[in-house]
Amino acid sequence: AQSVAQPEDQVNVAEGNPLTVKCTYSVSGNPYLFWYVQYPNRGLQFLLKYITGDNLVKGSYGFEAEFNKSQTSFHLKKPSALVSDSALYFCAVRPTTSGTYKYIFGTGTRLKVLA
Amino acid sequence: NAGVTQTPKFRILKIGQSMTLQCTQDMNHNYMYWYRQDPGMGLKLIYYSVGAGITDKGEVPNGYNVSRSTTEDFPLRLELAAPSQTSVYFCASSYQAGTGTENSYNSPLHFGNGTRLTVT
Repeated sequence: AQSVAQPEDQVNVAEGNPLTVKCTYSVSGNPYLFWYVQYPNRGLQFLLKYITGDNLVKGSYGFEAEFNKSQTSFHLKKPSALVSDSALYFCAVRPTTSGTYKYIFGTGTRLKVLA
Repeated sequence: NAGVTQTPKFRILKIGQSMTLQCTQDMNHNYMYWYRQDPGMGLKLIYYSVGAGITDKGEVPNGYNVSRSTTEDFPLRLELAAPSQTSVYFCASSYQAGTGTENSYNSPLHFGNGTRLTVT
């Protein structure tokens, strides 16, 4: 079965320190990979995506993500965390199998940046 | 652009009541989706649509119905509300055909701000 795993329910990091939110996937073929962020009482917002090419993808608000094909991982990173980055983060995978229209989401990781 | 708009924001239903959650988008997107979000469970796909007149079931369709008569609107109907349907519901859309910059696979989802539904 196809799946996306976010192994950490919560990540705590001090403001100014680098942060990493982990994501691994089990999907056949060469799927497209996405990160979304959810602030309280809001819908998910798109942060970045990996399609092809450079394994380091840059996105909104200073976030970037590193794609590793051999480890089937797509970890979200930021060099210096801000308190305002505290939110719920979702990794999502879009299989490229013909006729597939669904995204597969991880269960989310709550990021808490401490002042 | 307003993006994806959902109404109402909050609703309390009694068991057995019915209601329709409204969703409209102004981005001319072909694909639309309904998800429910339960604490610690991530997002579960209820129904989706790849164009006007075309809908299909997701992972958890039981107890729900949808229709897509126009590109813009994708309402979700709950016929006989049950406590298990207490959740936050999100509508999302993606992919505008013919733009040339994205395809149907790599176009990101655009979400509304959700409807918080409680069934008691």
